[in-house]
Amino acid sequence: ETGVTQTPRHLVMGMTNKKSLKCEQHLGHNAMYWYKQSAKKPLELMFVYNFKEQTENNSVPSRFSPECPNSSHLFLHLHTLQPEDSALYLCASSPGVAGTNRRWEQYFGPGTRLTVT
Amino acid sequence: DAKTTQPTSMDCAEGRAANLPCNHSTISGNEYVYWYRQIHSQGPQYIIHGLKNNETNEMASLIITEDRKSSTLILPHATLRDTAVYYCIVRNSGGYQKVTFGTGTKLQVIP
Repeated sequence: ETGVTQTPRHLVMGMTNKKSLKCEQHLGHNAMYWYKQSAKKPLELMFVYNFKEQTENNSVPSRFSPECPNSSHLFLHLHTLQPEDSALYLCASSPGVAGTNRRWEQYFGPGTRLTVT
Repeated sequence: DAKTTQPTSMDCAEGRAANLPCNHSTISGNEYVYWYRQIHSQGPQYIIHGLKNNETNEMASLIITEDRKSSTLILPHATLRDTAVYYCIVRNSGGYQKVTFGTGTKLQVIP
């Protein structure tokens, strides 16, 4: 049990669909992250939120739209995706910025396996 | 963040110690060494981190050379469940900044 949950675990969607991925952390953390992991590629950081404010957008296409209503929840809204967007999408959280070196220690969820047809 | 270099893959016999090396020759004084692992189809899992002293926890030991240009993650008694990709990352103590995971080392524990 990592304390970070993601739903759904698997998602198949067409290119014209709109769907959302959900992440919830039960660790009292202040920072949350979205990562993309394509087959045989390293993890790619997509977005970072700290205290509900977006602090990093790693040149992600606008068809991916994040939302962070509070420090415990993070969404990734998807629309008009392409087949190359098929990947494992991972959510993570960490205690937050400043302070001790443990602030960056990230806890990951199990991921959502997305297939775009 | 400093770049790291790890072997692409390693094998280890079950019950033996697994020693995973990492080179980080450009590490700066305020950068920590972190290790994560990712078991197939799961999210990465934090293992251990350190600055310059050796560290040990219930999962592993981290040995950092005196010049801090390399480190070794040691799993003292590898089990089949330790089969995973192991990532070595160096970064400063700041909070949320962009991190590059790299391709890691695929450790295969053999029965």
